[in-house]
Amino acid sequence: AQKVTQAQTEISVVEKEDVTLDCVYETRDTTYYLFWYKQPPSGELVFLIRRNSFDEQNEISGRYSWNFQKSTSSFNFTITASQVVDSAVYFCALRGSARQLTFGSGTQLTVLP
Amino acid sequence: EPEVTQTPSHQVTQMGQEVILRCVPISNHLYFYWYRQILGQKVEFLVSFYNNEISEKSEIFDDQFSVERPDGSNFTLKIRSTKLEDSAMYFCASSGGQGNQPQHFGDGTRLSIL
Repeated sequence: AQKVTQAQTEISVVEKEDVTLDCVYETRDTTYYLFWYKQPPSGELVFLIRRNSFDEQNEISGRYSWNFQKSTSSFNFTITASQVVDSAVYFCALRGSARQLTFGSGTQLTVLP
Repeated sequence: EPEVTQTPSHQVTQMGQEVILRCVPISNHLYFYWYRQILGQKVEFLVSFYNNEISEKSEIFDDQFSVERPDGSNFTLKIRSTKLEDSAMYFCASSGGQGNQPQHFGDGTRLSIL
C-alpha cells in the first residue's frame, strides 16, 4: 500500500520569507512519480511540479524548488520569497505502478502581508 | 492551454436521488479519473478509466457508483441512491499516456446531499 505523509498541517509565514513544505512517502514500487498540487481557496487543484523516482536531480523553477531524497523517502517543496497569492493548501501526491494518485492530507500555507 | 471542464459546479440533491456528474477531459488524453474530497479532508481516488473500461477502482467505488464515456468527449460519474455522506467535492482528471504525465484536474463539482 502507498502512503503520503504531510506532517505540517498549517504553516504561516510573512511575505517574502522562504517556506518549505515537507512530504514523506511510502511505496513498494521501484518506479514511481511524485507530484505537488496547489489548492487555492477557490477549490481547484493545480499541478505544480513532478519528479520521477529514477531522477534525483533537484531543480528550481522560478520561485519553486524541490528536494527529492530517495534515501529518506522525502520530496520537499520550497517556495522562495513567498507572496500572499501563494496562500493555499498544498498537496503532495504519489503515483506508483497503478495510475491512481495517493494524496497526503495537505498543508495549509498562509502568507501574511 | 487545454483544460478539464466539469459541470455543474454545484449540485444539490435530495438523499436517495441519482446524480450524474459530467466532465470533458483534455482532448488528446487517454486516461480519465474521478476523485472526491470531503470538506477539509484529503483528496481520495475513486476510479480510473482507460480504453472504455475501468482500469482501477478504490474501495469507495462500490455498486452505488458507475462511470461512462458515452461519446468521444464526455466522461460521467453516476451516483445512485445518494447518501448524506456522499456530500463532497468531486474532481475529474485526465492524463496522457506516459507514466510521468501529471493528471490535470477540473475545477470540481460540489455535491450537496440534503
